[in-house]
Amino acid sequence: AQSVAQPEDQVNVAEGNPLTVKCTYSVSGNPYLFWYVQYPNRGLQFLLKYITGDNLVKGSYGFEAEFNKSQTSFHLKKPSALVSDSALYFCAVLLNNFNKFYFGSGTKLNVKP
Amino acid sequence: NAGVTQTPKFRVLKTGQSMTLLCAQDMNHEYMYWYRQDPGMGLRLIHYSVGEGTTAKGEVPDGYNVSRLKKQNFLLGLESAAPSQTSVYFCASSFPGTGGYTFGSGTRLTVV
Repeated sequence: AQSVAQPEDQVNVAEGNPLTVKCTYSVSGNPYLFWYVQYPNRGLQFLLKYITGDNLVKGSYGFEAEFNKSQTSFHLKKPSALVSDSALYFCAVLLNNFNKFYFGSGTKLNVKP
Repeated sequence: NAGVTQTPKFRVLKTGQSMTLLCAQDMNHEYMYWYRQDPGMGLRLIHYSVGEGTTAKGEVPDGYNVSRLKKQNFLLGLESAAPSQTSVYFCASSFPGTGGYTFGSGTRLTVV
């Protein structure tokens, strides 16, 4: 069965410190990997994606993610967190049929001043 | 640019009532999707459509029906609402093969 795991329900970080939000996946084939962010009472917004090529992907708002095939992980990172980064973050896998995503359960990021 | 518009934004239903959620997109996307979001469970796919006149079941289709009579609209129906259908519903759309979804802002449904 296809699955996406975000092992941390919540991540707390002080402003200015680096942040990491973890994601691992278990799917057949070569998936496309995505990160989305959700602010309160809003829909999901695209942050970045990995299709192929360089394992380090840069996205919106200074975020980046590293694809690790051997560990089947796609962790989201940012060198210096902002209070405005506080939101709910979802990792997602798109299988080769392009029809549908599998989403992780989400990680709430809290950045404190 | 409207993108993906969902109506209504909020609704309270009594058990057994029916309702239809409307999703409209103005980006000429082929694919449209309905997800529900529940705490600790991420987003789960209810139904999806790969083109006008076609629909398919997702992970959690029971209790829901959909229709895609026009390319720009994707309707989600609840024939007999149950408290287990209390959730936030998101519509999304995309072009084939890009993987880039555009999401609506959600509909918060409470069934009492």
